[in-house]
Amino acid sequence: KAGVTQTPRYLIKTRGQQVTLSCSPISGHRSVSWYQQTPGQGLQFLFEYFSETQRNKGNFPGRFSGRQFSNSRSEMNVSTLELGDSALYLCASSLRLAGEDEQYFGPGTRLTVT
Amino acid sequence: AQSVAQPEDQVNVAEGNPLTVKCTYSVSGNPYLFWYVQYPNRGLQFLLKYITGDNLVKGSYGFEAEFNKSQTSFHLKKPSALVSDSALYFCAVRDDDYKLSFGAGTTVTVRA
Repeated sequence: KAGVTQTPRYLIKTRGQQVTLSCSPISGHRSVSWYQQTPGQGLQFLFEYFSETQRNKGNFPGRFSGRQFSNSRSEMNVSTLELGDSALYLCASSLRLAGEDEQYFGPGTRLTVT
Repeated sequence: AQSVAQPEDQVNVAEGNPLTVKCTYSVSGNPYLFWYVQYPNRGLQFLLKYITGDNLVKGSYGFEAEFNKSQTSFHLKKPSALVSDSALYFCAVRDDDYKLSFGAGTTVTVRA
């Protein structure tokens, strides 16, 4: 079956702009989690959605938000972009909650903020 | 407090030698533990997990991990490393807030 897909794969934005990233989970998976990966900070948890409800949130400012649709697809939005938001954003899906089940990761969206 | 720690940034081994990647955790209650691997220019892949049961967990690509409750460790092992095992390895634990926390990662280099 098809894996986790993320669009777009690469994105270049300027400071102050906003951006929306999309994630389509594996069919049947109800949990979608988002992570930010940077060389300095490693893998940082952003949030997890399960059946359209945000189940958990990491320590990121309110500029980072997300949502999940009834078909389990998820979007992540970052408003008022800062240089420090440049990172690889990874989406992962699982059948059950992320902490209880193996996650399947997408290839990521590489965001560059100039 | 940090929920999971990988004390080694890098591990270097010769092909054919045993490979160990260390991980320690700190959570209350029963730990849910995972190992993931990230190959160059590829996404993270699940290797194995410990939820309950046998302390020795077998996973993908010949890897296994040993859960040690008294030492709060979950070290990843492979009896005979391959050059193709060179990658970035992450340990993860369900923390006390019920979210998945990842370690900083350990870069494994297997030399021919």
